[in-house]
Amino acid sequence: QKEVEQDPGPLSVPEGAIVSLNCTYSNSAFQYFMWYRQYSRKGPELLMYTYSSGNKEDGRFTAQVDKSSKYISLFIRDSQPSDSATYLCAMSYYNTDKLIFGTGTRLQVFP
Amino acid sequence: DVKVTQSSRYLVKRTGEKVFLECVQDMDHENMFWYRQDPGLGLRLIYFSYDVKMKEKGDIPEGYSVSREKKERFSLILESASTNQTSMYLCASSSTSDTGELFFGEGSRLTVL
Repeated sequence: QKEVEQDPGPLSVPEGAIVSLNCTYSNSAFQYFMWYRQYSRKGPELLMYTYSSGNKEDGRFTAQVDKSSKYISLFIRDSQPSDSATYLCAMSYYNTDKLIFGTGTRLQVFP
Repeated sequence: DVKVTQSSRYLVKRTGEKVFLECVQDMDHENMFWYRQDPGLGLRLIYFSYDVKMKEKGDIPEGYSVSREKKERFSLILESASTNQTSMYLCASSSTSDTGELFFGEGSRLTVL
């Protein structure tokens, strides 16, 4: 079993839809959770960062961590074609530790 | 802006050739990493370094070596390239005193024929 599981998609939604992207993990010791966005032929860039449980909101993006279920989510409201990318979840035990990545979910938002 | 620069975006090499992938960061980060990214397998850590002249094996170090002679530069070396090393290679850096966020370069797509 992989430490971090992520549905590869692709996920195709119309512009304006609410998108939900998810990851599950097996190790309850993870404390730092991140979402990276990767456009085609580019390197990943950090989108959201959360420590421990709870929600974090940044504009149209909300990151949610449920440690009891070992489940993290990224919600995108009012999705735009410019949100079309691969979204990677990542997590670690300590902020100085190496990150464990999910395989990424490819999202396509069509006009 | 943080910048991680990978010198070669696209390379085509032949089996058995020695390949150097160079990475330079301009943010004085202590930590540098090399990943490879393959469809369905995601990002896999090859090697990382927490300081100059230090290196640690990641999850898939076989067939690779690294060099870090200066803080800003981290090189990935394929001593004898093989076709199963055809992949996208991503370099990243991070600061020990920060959140652990990785800053990535744009990637080097290597094809081994």
